[in-house]
Amino acid sequence: ETGVTQSPTHLIKTRGQQVTLRCSSQSGHNTVSWYQQALGQGPQFIFQYYREEENGRGNFPPRFSGLQFPNYSSELNVNALELDDSALYLCASSSLADRGRRDYGYTFGSGTRLTVV
Amino acid sequence: GDSVTQMEGPVTLSEEAFLTINCTYTATGYPSLFWYVQYPGEGLQLLLKATKADDKGSNKGFEATYRKETTSFHLEKGSVQVSDSAVYFCALSGYGGATNKLIFGTGTLLAVQP
Repeated sequence: ETGVTQSPTHLIKTRGQQVTLRCSSQSGHNTVSWYQQALGQGPQFIFQYYREEENGRGNFPPRFSGLQFPNYSSELNVNALELDDSALYLCASSSLADRGRRDYGYTFGSGTRLTVV
Repeated sequence: GDSVTQMEGPVTLSEEAFLTINCTYTATGYPSLFWYVQYPGEGLQLLLKATKADDKGSNKGFEATYRKETTSFHLEKGSVQVSDSAVYFCALSGYGGATNKLIFGTGTLLAVQP
């Protein structure tokens, strides 16, 4: 089975610009979550998508938005970039059908390193 | 809200030394607990997990036991190798919630010297 694929791997943007990050979920997974990992910190939950709708959101402003497509791939969009948005953005896929199982788990991609200058 | 606290690093050990990385959590209900590992320049890999009290997760010589009475999930390995050098994250996930989102600790950098 294929794993989670993210693109691009690295990206440099200027403050105020907009960026789109992409994620292809693992085969058989229908849920995608996005996390932001600032340097030296643990990942922070941004939001989750299921059936093309947002299914939970962390403490991030509305300029962070997302999409999920019928093939379960996903995009993370960030508008009006700020210097503090510089981070590693991680995508994680899972199967919501397994949500009732206590061993519900995630498969993470390798991330996109975003630098805002 | 739910949270995870890990011992701060870096932890520097010689090869074949014993490893302990402490992790405690605060959560309502009965979360599942995880250890993830992140090698330089890479994403997160699940190392081990435990889904109920007294469960022991194990993988690649690493172990952690879900201790409900002390709200802890400490990571241990009897003999570390240079290849174990990485950042280790303790995490929890609520059971049955809408998102089952993961809540991570800040990570502990492990450096193993030959």
